[in-house]
Amino acid sequence: DVKVTQSSRYLVKRTGEKVFLECVQDMDHENMFWYRQDPGLGLRLIYFSYDVKMKEKGDIPEGYSVSREKKERFSLILESASTNQTSMYLCASSQTGGGTGELFFGEGSRLTVL
Amino acid sequence: GNSVTQMEGPVTLSEEAFLTINCTYTATGYPSLFWYVQYPGEGLQLLLKATKADDKGSNKGFEATYRKETTSFHLEKGSVQVSDSAVYFCALNPTQGGSEKLVFGKGTKLTVNP
Repeated sequence: DVKVTQSSRYLVKRTGEKVFLECVQDMDHENMFWYRQDPGLGLRLIYFSYDVKMKEKGDIPEGYSVSREKKERFSLILESASTNQTSMYLCASSQTGGGTGELFFGEGSRLTVL
Repeated sequence: GNSVTQMEGPVTLSEEAFLTINCTYTATGYPSLFWYVQYPGEGLQLLLKATKADDKGSNKGFEATYRKETTSFHLEKGSVQVSDSAVYFCALNPTQGGSEKLVFGKGTKLTVNP
């Protein structure tokens, strides 16, 4: 069964802490994505990676960075967490090309920043 | 630019009722259109898709038709079940055959009561 796995389902951090959210996919997909999901705002793209070591800013990259050292792993980093980064974070992956648009999502990581 | 507008929820129905969730879009060119579903506590998964005008996507009793003249992709189901309770997202891929950076609507929460 194909899978996108996010390392932590629930995290509680303090303001100013550095936070790592890890995502691993087993489908050999080129593209990987980080979204955040907030009530009333839907899904917003934070960062996108289309290849190892390649990244592209999404709609709301401020306060975030990403790392993709291996094809299967895409990490989201909050250098100094703030309360307005309390949210659900969703990782997704997809195959390049074809225009099918099918994204495979992980189960999400719910982050609370106190 | 590209955008998706879907009806705001929440929507509450009784079992076996007819469901319509409206979705309209704005896009340049010829986008692909999708409906994703998010069951409680899970990530998003693709429900159905359509890649060109007049295409009908269908899955699990749900249907949606790509209407270019009205720029719409409304989701319908003839008889909903309690197990259909979830959040539904309409989305578009603005670049046929290009990168899969989808544009999502804000989501519609559906609750089906027995």
